[in-house]
Parts: sequence; C-alpha cells; structure tokens
Amino acid sequence: GIQVEQSPPDLILQEGANSTLRCNFSDSVNNLQWFHQNPWGQLINLFYIPSGTKQNGRLSATTVATERYSLLYISSSQTTDSGVYFCAVDSGSYQLTFGKGTKLSVIP
Amino acid sequence: EAGVAQSPRYKIIEKRQSVAFWCNPISGHATLYWYQQILGQGPKLLIQFQNNGVVDDSQLPKDRFSAERLKGVDSTLKIQPAKLEDSAVYLCASSLDAGGSGTGGAGYGYTFGSGTRLTVV
Repeated sequence: GIQVEQSPPDLILQEGANSTLRCNFSDSVNNLQWFHQNPWGQLINLFYIPSGTKQNGRLSATTVATERYSLLYISSSQTTDSGVYFCAVDSGSYQLTFGKGTKLSVIP
Repeated sequence: EAGVAQSPRYKIIEKRQSVAFWCNPISGHATLYWYQQILGQGPKLLIQFQNNGVVDDSQLPKDRFSAERLKGVDSTLKIQPAKLEDSAVYLCASSLDAGGSGTGGAGYGYTFGSGTRLTVV
C-alpha cells in the first residue's frame, strides 16, 4: 500500500515563530488532507489539498503532486497550535492512510 | 451542524472481556469509517461503510472485531474477546461522499468524532 512519511517527528517552537511540516508519499494520490489532533484527541480537518496551494489564516499548505510531497506552513505560532499534525492520503480507494504525525509544542 | 458523536468517551476492561462502541455520524453523511489509533501512531482504517453496506473491512481482525451500521445511520463496533494490544483510541468518522472531499475547504470532508479511549488490562 501507499506509504506516508512525515517530518520532523517532533518540533518545539517559541510562540510567534514560523514552522514548516513536510509530508512525503510513495504513490499518486486523489486526495491529501492535513489534520490537527489537539491535546484532547480531537482530529480537526485543516486542508483538503491534493494539489496546489491554499491558505487559511496563519496556516497554509502546498502540495506538489508530481513530486509526491506536501508542506504545511504555520506562521506566528500560538500555544493553541500545539498538538499533533497528521498528513493523510487517499490513493483512490476513498480510505485515508495516515502518516505518523509531527508533534508540535509551542511554548510561551 | 452537530458533529460526529461517539460513546463512551473512556472504557477500561480486563482482557478477554467484551466491549462495544457507538457512533452517530453527521446527518446525511452516507459514508462512515472506524479507525484505530494506537498511542504514538496515526489512525488506521478498520472498516468503511457506504450507507448500511460494508465497502472494505480488509483490515478488521474479524476473529474478534465486528461492526454494523443499521439503517445506514448509527454504527457499533464490538470487540470480543479483547486483548491487551487492543488498547487504543477508536475513532469514528463520516463524510458526505465516499471521497470525503466536498468543496475541499478546511472543515469540510472527513469529520472525526472525539473517539473512545480503550484500555485493556
């Protein structure tokens, strides 16, 4: 099956700093989504982005489908951004395969 | 709109006991998924329903796990008998269409419930 690798596995930021999270995938995809899992375990859908670039406030994402990677940018990080960020892909079966996530800790 | 509802929120059982989890998807969402998330890993799909039919249960350990979705709405996931390695968070998700893409904006597509944290001792 398709493989999804995320980096870095852990990231510690000072409040106000910017960061870039990366997701590499091993095959072509029909769907790519970024999720944020907060410290209480709730998974929140951030972006549906099989290709191109999207922005939502301080967050933006870019997927380069031909090179099989996606990037999630977080600018001016806040403590509420802490949690685990997951990249998940669907290669055509309508099922999401998740990476292992990037654990982000934003300290004041 | 109301989100995906799951219960119970937490459950602790002894090994070899049975347990059941319940999920109520977003109204009108035809596709329902159960995922298992072991500590430190990403969620892994167990089973996918389209209305009340099973689309894929290839990763469901059928010797001990079962799931049903009656009338194409609520779903239950059961484990019998439980093993220590079943300790995990069980997440239910729903989507309007099979692809879960919708208009593609943030907050649309797949919607996950808060999950049930199962501890088997």
